[in-house]
Amino acid sequence: AQSVTQLGSHVSVSEGALVLLRCNYSSSVPPYLFWYVQYPNQGLQLLLKYTSAATLVKGINGFEAEFKKSETSFHLTKPSAHMSDAAEYFCAVSDLDQTGANNLFFGTGTRLTVIP
Amino acid sequence: DTAVSQTPKYLVTQMGNDKSIKCEQNLGHDTMYWYKQDSKKFLKIMFSYNNKELIINETVPNRFSPKSPDKAHLNLHINSLELGDSAVYFCASSQGGQGSYEQYFGPGTRLTVT
Repeated sequence: AQSVTQLGSHVSVSEGALVLLRCNYSSSVPPYLFWYVQYPNQGLQLLLKYTSAATLVKGINGFEAEFKKSETSFHLTKPSAHMSDAAEYFCAVSDLDQTGANNLFFGTGTRLTVIP
Repeated sequence: DTAVSQTPKYLVTQMGNDKSIKCEQNLGHDTMYWYKQDSKKFLKIMFSYNNKELIINETVPNRFSPKSPDKAHLNLHINSLELGDSAVYFCASSQGGQGSYEQYFGPGTRLTVT
């Protein structure tokens, strides 16, 4: 089964600094990878997804992620953090099981804190 | 318009009770899901439902049963609630069952069992 590992359960950055959230995947086949954001007391919102097209994926709110097969990574970055970026971020991989069902398997999440 | 909606947003109940959480999507999607998010924010798939085919995560107790009256709704019924069922439950939907389709999530239902 495919899985993702998020390194760092908490990341703190200063406002205006680079945001880097790490995600590594484990897959025997080309994966579909996603980043979701969860603001306090809200549901998950898709930031971006990788589906085997361009390796550099641009998402909403200035976020982007690069798929690196050699490193089995899909790290999320943003050049300049805003206070409004403070949230929980989840990396996820889509796994088609033997029944053909598409299930999302999530990492454990990274809480991003932005310091004024 | 809300794409995926859930009711109620908060649910507090006692052990042993039976409760339901409703989910509706107005996106015209074919596949719907239920996820459980525990106190450590870990998200785990419980069910997926596509064209009347239910795929059950084998680790989910049979006290949990999804019910779909039509393609736009997937409700979650829970019997004999236990303390360990306390969590946030998210409904989601996607255009189809293929892995490339992103899932759209509802706002969540925070269930507290006392």
